[in-house]
Amino acid sequence: DAKTTQPTSMDCAEGRAANLPCNHSTISGNEYVYWYRQIHSQGPQYIIHGLKNNETNEMASLIITEDRKSSTLILPHATLRDTAVYYCIASPSGNTPLVFGKGTRLSVIA
Amino acid sequence: SAVISQKPSRDICQRGTSLTIQCQVDSQVTMMFWYRQQPGQSLTLIATANQGSEATYESGFVIDKFPISRPNLTFSTLTVSNMSPEDSSIYLCSVEETHGWYGNTIYFGEGSWLTVV
Repeated sequence: DAKTTQPTSMDCAEGRAANLPCNHSTISGNEYVYWYRQIHSQGPQYIIHGLKNNETNEMASLIITEDRKSSTLILPHATLRDTAVYYCIASPSGNTPLVFGKGTRLSVIA
Repeated sequence: SAVISQKPSRDICQRGTSLTIQCQVDSQVTMMFWYRQQPGQSLTLIATANQGSEATYESGFVIDKFPISRPNLTFSTLTVSNMSPEDSSIYLCSVEETHGWYGNTIYFGEGSWLTVV
């Protein structure tokens, strides 16, 4: 799996957009970008994934640069319940387990 | 998405004993993965469990310590054997769901918190 680099921690004001960056400059052509989050004491929650196009679902948007070397997860209106550790993972899709780094600890502040 | 149930959700275990964690999925899946998360750490893959074959263990994890069963496409167990306080962790079951052209997605159970005393 390609190594990813994320900031250790970030703060975001409640109601504002949270933009979480991820660098994956060595990503391979067959690797997707996956985002998960882990709220304290719970199992990781799948958020979104993409290959090269930008993606949006009910939880978040994923913006992938044209060269695919970095991406940004956007939570459009952060709430206190979005406080969690967010993991960005570059991984092939299919029969391959995810390799977790340390992630970004996002704190949403009232 | 797949619904994954783990049992027990939490347990306190005596040193030297063994505990089996069960993972039940509401749909048939080929790939299941077991992870460990030690306090304050990220997730570490223990093994990959495919139905009908022996589990594949990651470096640092051995079958004698973490035996895994995968009797069918919806169920797996992980046993933590001869436990010591260093085994106090969250143990997580995960499954891979296929979405065809959009790529596969891996989903996680809520985890089993083990504290060894």
